Amino acid sequence: EAGVAQSPRYKIIEKRQSVAFWCNPISGHATLYWYQQILGQGPKLLIQFQNNGVVDDSQLPKDRFSAERLKGVDSTLKIQPAKLEDSAVYLCASSPGSEQYFGPGTRLTVT
Amino acid sequence: AQTVTQSQPEMSVQEAETVTLSCTYDTSESDYYLFWYKQPPSRQMILVIRQEAYKQQNATENRFSVNFQKAAKSFSLKISDSQLGDAAMYFCAYPSGTYKYIFGTGTRLKVLA
Repeated sequence: EAGVAQSPRYKIIEKRQSVAFWCNPISGHATLYWYQQILGQGPKLLIQFQNNGVVDDSQLPKDRFSAERLKGVDSTLKIQPAKLEDSAVYLCASSPGSEQYFGPGTRLTVT
Repeated sequence: AQTVTQSQPEMSVQEAETVTLSCTYDTSESDYYLFWYKQPPSRQMILVIRQEAYKQQNATENRFSVNFQKAAKSFSLKISDSQLGDAAMYFCAYPSGTYKYIFGTGTRLKVLA
């Protein structure tokens, strides 16, 4: 069974630029999550989708972050414009129920 | 509010020895799951073990086992016969009602050869 795929693995941008991350969940998993993990901390949930609907986006900075999950499968997370404090690893996870399966993450560096 | 606390920022263990990582949580729910995840330097979170709160028996997966104390809201992870590949960050996680995970701050495990 293929795992959660994410791309790109690494991205370096300057502040005020925009960036997009892509996630392909495990086939059949209805729930998809995006997390932000700052160095030395645990992951923080940004947004949770159930199929193509948003379940929780209470910690998503909506003035600069957006996410969509068209057709209830793949998802993209966008940051526009990026700030220095957005430097982090962005993790995507999918779940059929209580267990979450994580992708390899995208390491973003904002200079 | 639901919280997860890992009080050990870093632990060290000699290869082949046993180590226990601590986790406490706070919830008012009676039926729930608890998880331990491992995050090696590659950054990919890997599920280590899960415990269902209604089960009295502690979960075991090969060299990994938990000591689940529901009344004390304690969920510790024991790693037996530690191996160099066990070196990683370990996160305790509690999924809230919509399976939104609440993670602890993590414990960095070092394995000494």
